[in-house]
Amino acid sequence: KQEVTQIPAALSVPEGENLVLNCSFTDSAIYNLQWFRQDPGKGLTSLLLIQSSQREQTSGRLNASLDKSSGRSTLYIAASQPGDSATYLCAVLGSLFIDMRFGAGTRLTVKP
Amino acid sequence: DGGITQSPKYLFRKEGQNVTLSCEQNLNHDAMYWYRQDPGQGLRLIYYSQIVNDFQKGDIAEGYSVSREKKESFPLTVTSAQKNPTAFYLCASSLSWGDEQFFGPGTRLTVL
Repeated sequence: KQEVTQIPAALSVPEGENLVLNCSFTDSAIYNLQWFRQDPGKGLTSLLLIQSSQREQTSGRLNASLDKSSGRSTLYIAASQPGDSATYLCAVLGSLFIDMRFGAGTRLTVKP
Repeated sequence: DGGITQSPKYLFRKEGQNVTLSCEQNLNHDAMYWYRQDPGQGLRLIYYSQIVNDFQKGDIAEGYSVSREKKESFPLTVTSAQKNPTAFYLCASSLSWGDEQFFGPGTRLTVL
């Protein structure tokens, strides 16, 4: 059974810092991996989706990488801003299309 | 505006009652999903539907029921058989199963 882990559970950084969020998964047979942002009490906002054949995806200040062999994905946020403060979740879809797993998320605080 | 709507935003239920949560999308997506989110945990899949008139159980379907009579609508009923229904419920949709998911704003259900 696929397990998805996000460490640390919480992270606090000063404004302007570049940072990396981690997502680990136990089964490398995945179809894709998606990163989301969630503000308190709100739904999830899709940030980036990486197909299993891809190594990375970029959108603005965000860059997500995927290393299936090591069971890892990272979300890189450049020049962090207070508005980036939120919980970031990753979700993995298994290659058989029947297994959708979310990590518990990393709560990011960017201090002005 | 295209998007996903959920109603109500807050819902209170007495023990022993069934309640139905609404989810509507105007994105012309085939696939729709229901998730449950508990504090400090990742999202868990309750039910999903890949196409109208079809749906499948997710990881935690016991005590829940769904229907998919129209492409744009995927209501979730929380029955009295669900032992611990207090949670944040999120609906999502994607063009087809496995594609990028888009989420609604969520419904917070509290059992009194």
